[in-house]
Amino acid sequence: DAGVTQSPTHLIKTRGQQVTLRCSPISGHKSVSWYQQVLGQGPQFIFQYYEKEERGRGNFPDRFSARQFPNYSSELNVNALLLGDSALYLCASSPGGWDQPQHFGDGTRLSIL
Amino acid sequence: QKEVEQNSGPLSVPEGAIASLNCTYSDRGSQSFFWYRQYSGKSPELIMFIYSNGDKEDGRFTAQLNKASQYVSLLIRDSQPSDSATYLCAVIGAGKSTFGDGTTLTVKP
Repeated sequence: DAGVTQSPTHLIKTRGQQVTLRCSPISGHKSVSWYQQVLGQGPQFIFQYYEKEERGRGNFPDRFSARQFPNYSSELNVNALLLGDSALYLCASSPGGWDQPQHFGDGTRLSIL
Repeated sequence: QKEVEQNSGPLSVPEGAIASLNCTYSDRGSQSFFWYRQYSGKSPELIMFIYSNGDKEDGRFTAQLNKASQYVSLLIRDSQPSDSATYLCAVIGAGKSTFGDGTTLTVKP
């Protein structure tokens, strides 16, 4: 079975632009979470979606938004990009609720110039 | 104070030794605890998860949880050079998921 897939792999944007990152969960998984990871730090939680509803949100500004589609895939949108948004964006899926193990995709490397 | 704290390391052990990795957390309402391994330039890979106080063993890995003391640990027996990586502790509570910054482990042949 395919694991969590994310696209694109790499992305270069300039300040002020908008970006959309995509994630397809493992087949049968209904929950998707998004994380931001900068070098030397652990992943920082952005959002969790379960059954197309937002179930959790981390301490990120409103420039960050996400949604989950009926097929459980998800998009993360970031508006008005700042240099500090440069990071590895990770998507993780799990079968269901909060207490279940999450499996990560390979991530999208976002660079802001 | 961070919500999830790990010693950054690096922790160096000889091949075949036991590596002990520790994690403390501040939210007493935390319910689920996970250990991930992350190789340089790669995404985190799930190793273990534990929900109840006590020990949980899976092959060479043992996770230990003590909710009263708010710590969770990971023991790696018979450490191999391929175990050299950063180990991330993740703590799940209501509505949020918090990772530590990881402990870097080096296993020397």
